[in-house]
Amino acid sequence: DQQVKQNSPSLSVQEGRISILNCDYTNSMFDYFLWYKKYPAEGPTFLISISSIKDKNEDGRFTVFLNKSAKHLSLHIVPSQPGDSAVYFCAAMGRSGTASKLTFGTGTRLQVTL
Amino acid sequence: DAGVTQSPTHLIKTRGQQVTLRCSPKSGHDTVSWYQQALGQGPQFIFQYYEEEERQRGNFPDRFSGHQFPNYSSELNVNALLLGDSALYLCASSFADREHGYTFGSGTRLTVV
Repeated sequence: DQQVKQNSPSLSVQEGRISILNCDYTNSMFDYFLWYKKYPAEGPTFLISISSIKDKNEDGRFTVFLNKSAKHLSLHIVPSQPGDSAVYFCAAMGRSGTASKLTFGTGTRLQVTL
Repeated sequence: DAGVTQSPTHLIKTRGQQVTLRCSPKSGHDTVSWYQQALGQGPQFIFQYYEEEERQRGNFPDRFSGHQFPNYSSELNVNALLLGDSALYLCASSFADREHGYTFGSGTRLTVV
């Protein structure tokens, strides 16, 4: 039962262009969503998050959009840079307040080409 | 400031053996979670420790157990290893502040042969 889905295993984008990574979820109890970036031989690194009370959150080149009615979120990277090449994981949490577990998608491998 | 530290980085074990993985959380963090990442998959939640007790558990058998020490460090133990336990084991720490998610270590790569 995959509650968080990333249907695109890979994505290739030219440097300078926009990268759009998508994520769908099925559990209505999720109320907080995060994106992580992972390089080989390293642990996931937190990128950006969004609460279910918002529909957009920006941090520099990264913007996350949340469409609750569609249970869909996306990560936009503008402009894309070669250093952005990594695996990106979407994750969701189901409880506010104290720390809770993360439910991850299977990841999307982004390759930014010159 | 050291982040999350995990040891060892790599490990090879034989089926049926037992293994212990270790994690030191980021300074100031009091909650430790363990995740298993199989090849080509996203990390799967194993369990979470807070105040030296298991607070939450994922869908993993009792062969997987853990411990948190008074200094917040943690161990993950796996008994009766199966080939399917081969994976990257990630430790993540936090301080009840989900605005910045969890801080992950680089993981321990366990290979069961």
